[in-house]
Amino acid sequence: GAGVSQSPRYKVAKRGQDVALRCDPISGHVSLFWYQQALGQGPEFLTYFQNEAQLDKSGLPSDRFFAERPEGSVSTLKIQRTQQEDSAVYLCASSPARGGYNEQFFGPGTRLTVL
Amino acid sequence: AQSVTQLGSHVSVSEGALVLLRCNYSSSVPPYLFWYVQYPNQGLQLLLKYTTGATLVKGINGFEAEFKKSETSFHLTKPSAHMSDAAEYFCAVSVLSGSARQLTFGSGTQLTVLP
Repeated sequence: GAGVSQSPRYKVAKRGQDVALRCDPISGHVSLFWYQQALGQGPEFLTYFQNEAQLDKSGLPSDRFFAERPEGSVSTLKIQRTQQEDSAVYLCASSPARGGYNEQFFGPGTRLTVL
Repeated sequence: AQSVTQLGSHVSVSEGALVLLRCNYSSSVPPYLFWYVQYPNQGLQLLLKYTTGATLVKGINGFEAEFKKSETSFHLTKPSAHMSDAAEYFCAVSVLSGSARQLTFGSGTQLTVLP
């Protein structure tokens, strides 16, 4: 079956613009995670959803970052008033188990460049 | 809090030589441990994982890793490198945090395979 997909794959934004990044998890996967991967670094946790509930948003770096998963499938990560330090690859991962106890399956990521 | 240290941001080996990528972790509770591989412009792919049980774990593409609690290590090995193994490798630790098992990643090791 299809894996995790993300769109757009690449996004260039001017500083101050709002952006929305989409994640389509594997069908039926309960858990969904967002990670931020800065250049030359490993991914860092941003937030976690179990179905439509956002159970952990402790990794979101500021209140400019907002994520939602209203119907428990597709998720959107929104960044308001983008800053240059937001430039990174944003990875989405889904897992069939609650809490990500099983393997997390990663999408290809969205590379965000803020000019 | 848990953390992961990958020794050597760049490792070069000759084709056919042993691959050894080092990973040390810190965790106050028994961790789950993972190795992921990332090819350019692609998402993370799971190579292998340790949760409980046998400490020597075999993964895909001939890779294996051994969990050594006394050394807090989870080094990745492959007896004979192939050109196709050239990629970035991430070690990760998963510890229950709130409602989910967040992944904490190391900063990655770029593996180059020389002909």
